[in-house]
Amino acid sequence: QQQVKQSPQSLIVQKGGISIINCAYENTAFDYFPWYQQFPGKGPALLIAIRPDVSEKKEGRFTISFNKSAKQFSLHIMDSQPGDSATYFCAASIGAGTALIFGKGTTLSVSS
Amino acid sequence: KAGVTQTPRYLIKTRGQQVTLSCSPISGHRSVSWYQQTPGQGLQFLFEYFSETQRNKGNFPGRFSGRQFSNSRSEMNVSTLELGDSALYLCASSFDGGNQPQHFGDGTRLSIL
Repeated sequence: QQQVKQSPQSLIVQKGGISIINCAYENTAFDYFPWYQQFPGKGPALLIAIRPDVSEKKEGRFTISFNKSAKQFSLHIMDSQPGDSATYFCAASIGAGTALIFGKGTTLSVSS
Repeated sequence: KAGVTQTPRYLIKTRGQQVTLSCSPISGHRSVSWYQQTPGQGLQFLFEYFSETQRNKGNFPGRFSGRQFSNSRSEMNVSTLELGDSALYLCASSFDGGNQPQHFGDGTRLSIL
């Protein structure tokens, strides 16, 4: 019940395309859902986060869509760029600063 | 504002030894959490400290321990190292460990020979 399932494991998108990564959770007590971006040799960097009282949040080219009834949330990267090539992790927690439960990650490659 | 600083960046140890990793949080942040990242298990929560007290603990054996000092800096210790402890150890800080987001350092890469 503590798991967060993330798909796909890897994704190849052409420059300018839309990248979509999906996550699903079981624990309805989760109330904070962040996405992190990680480059090789670096720690995860917070991209964008959402709480269950909002169905969508947009920051620049990054959008989180949240479906509370389906217990799913997704990250959309619009106009994907080669610089977006990285590993993306979804996560969930009860409270933003507490133990984050991470998905297994998606490796995104944006081809130019 | 400086980010989360972890030292050292790389460590090589042998089985049976012990190791101490250090984390300096973002200035003003009082909550520090530790995570283990491996290719097989991904990112897993180890423990969280707030105001020098362990507030939350993940599912790791007692060989993994930590502490937090009055200036919010934190250390993590692993005793009797095993080959499976080879991983990237990440520290994250947040203002209060409540509803403020966590920001990660670049980690310490621990290799066990």
